[in-house]
Amino acid sequence: KQEVTQIPAALSVPEGENLVLNCSFTDSAIYNLQWFRQDPGKGLTSLLLIQSSQREQTSGRLNASLDKSSGRSTLYIAASQPGDSATYLCAVSLRLMDSNYQLIWGAGTKLIIKP
Amino acid sequence: EAQVTQNPRYLITVTGKKLTVTCSQNMNHEYMSWYRQDPGLGLRQIYYSMNVEVTDKGDVPEGYKVSRKEKRNFPLILESPSPNQTSLYFCASSLSRTGNGYTFGSGTRLTVV
Repeated sequence: KQEVTQIPAALSVPEGENLVLNCSFTDSAIYNLQWFRQDPGKGLTSLLLIQSSQREQTSGRLNASLDKSSGRSTLYIAASQPGDSATYLCAVSLRLMDSNYQLIWGAGTKLIIKP
Repeated sequence: EAQVTQNPRYLITVTGKKLTVTCSQNMNHEYMSWYRQDPGLGLRQIYYSMNVEVTDKGDVPEGYKVSRKEKRNFPLILESPSPNQTSLYFCASSLSRTGNGYTFGSGTRLTVV
C-alpha cells in the first residue's frame, strides 16, 4: 500500500534562508507527484506537478525534484519570505487496476518563516 | 473567476442531526471529489465522481453520502453525524482524474458535539 511521508512536520527558519522540504513514498509506480500549499482558512493551491518521467519542475523561487528509484521528492524554496509561511503538502497520483487514479497525500510540513 | 465554492465554511451540529455541505464549481470539470483532513493525517478521500450520476467510494466513505445530479454540484451528506466526523472537509474538482489541475474549495470546518 502506498504511503507518503513528510518530515519534519514543522519547520521554522529565518527570512532569507534557502530551505528544503522532503517527501518520501513507498511505491515507485507513481503517475505523477504534486506539491500543494495550504493557507489557514483557504483551500489548497497546486504549486508544482512532476510527471513520473520528469526529474524536476521549477516555478519562480520554487524547485521540485523527483527521484522515483529512491521514492523521494524535495521542494526547494530559495530566499524564503514571511509570505511563504504555510503548510506544504505532497501528493502522489497512482494509476489503479481499473484505470482510475488515486491521490495519496502526505500529512504536510508546516513552515514558518521568521522576519 | 474559476473557483470551487463550499458552504458553509463553519458548522457546529449535534450528533444525529442530518446535514449537507454544498460544493459547486464553475469550470465545467467532470471530476469532483470530497476529502477530509485530520491533524497528523494526510487528506483522505471520502467520495468522488467522474461525471453526472457517476459516483464512487474513496478511502473513508462510511457515514457519508453524495450525489451528482448536475455537473457543477457535488453535495456531501451526513445522514446521522457522529463526533468522529468532526474534521476539515475539502471539495475539489479537476478536468482530469489523474490529479492534474486540481482546484480546491476553501474548506468546511465541521464540529459534531
